[in-house]
Amino acid sequence: QSVLTQPPSVSGAPGQTVFISCTGYSSNLGAGYDVAWYQQLPGEAPKLLICASTNRPSGVPDRFSGSKSGTSASLAIGGLQDEDEGDYYCQSYDSSLTAYVFGSGTRVTVL
Amino acid sequence: EVQLVESGGGLVKPGGSLRLSCAASGFNFYVYSMNWVRQRPGKGLEWVSSIGATAGLIYYADSVRGRFTISRDNARNIVTLDMSSLTADDSAVYFCAANRPPTTTYGYEIWGRGTLITVSS
Repeated sequence: QSVLTQPPSVSGAPGQTVFISCTGYSSNLGAGYDVAWYQQLPGEAPKLLICASTNRPSGVPDRFSGSKSGTSASLAIGGLQDEDEGDYYCQSYDSSLTAYVFGSGTRVTVL
Repeated sequence: EVQLVESGGGLVKPGGSLRLSCAASGFNFYVYSMNWVRQRPGKGLEWVSSIGATAGLIYYADSVRGRFTISRDNARNIVTLDMSSLTADDSAVYFCAANRPPTTTYGYEIWGRGTLITVSS
């Protein structure tokens, strides 16, 4: 059971915007620790999409955006494309666990 | 080319030991923190261990503390994970990942392709 909770799945039609939530506690997101988001396509290693809660590393399309408020964070995928199908994970630091925890993961399906 | 390449995976019996290695190239290894993340078959990502750039800071997940040891050799650009008292629950793909510190600001920027460990008799 992860201390960062994500919905198991979200889906949307091509071109739509989907949102993935990441809900934590006062020992992680609520303590002010930033969140990172990763995309894992089938059979591949994870890839960093968002760091420091809102920043996109070089090369990541601006269709991906992140936000954070209090004990929650969110990843938005705009202009959904077939190649966006995969699993998405949030990550932050938890001071109670002294651990860099991952969220439970969300499967994105393009309808 | 920026690259992390894991090695050392395979089949090991319950109670056995294994050493994983991760070779880095194409970036300034000595300034990056290094991490191990695992993924059990069909499951999500699980952070395992992290080591700071100078090995001064080391962290372990509760699930592996006391059984796994992370270390690094900045002269050879290698990070290793020594694993002992392995159980079936440790069966997973183990990924090596690198980040500029602090982790929560930069995230795990560089990932290897992973190496599979299967613990079975």
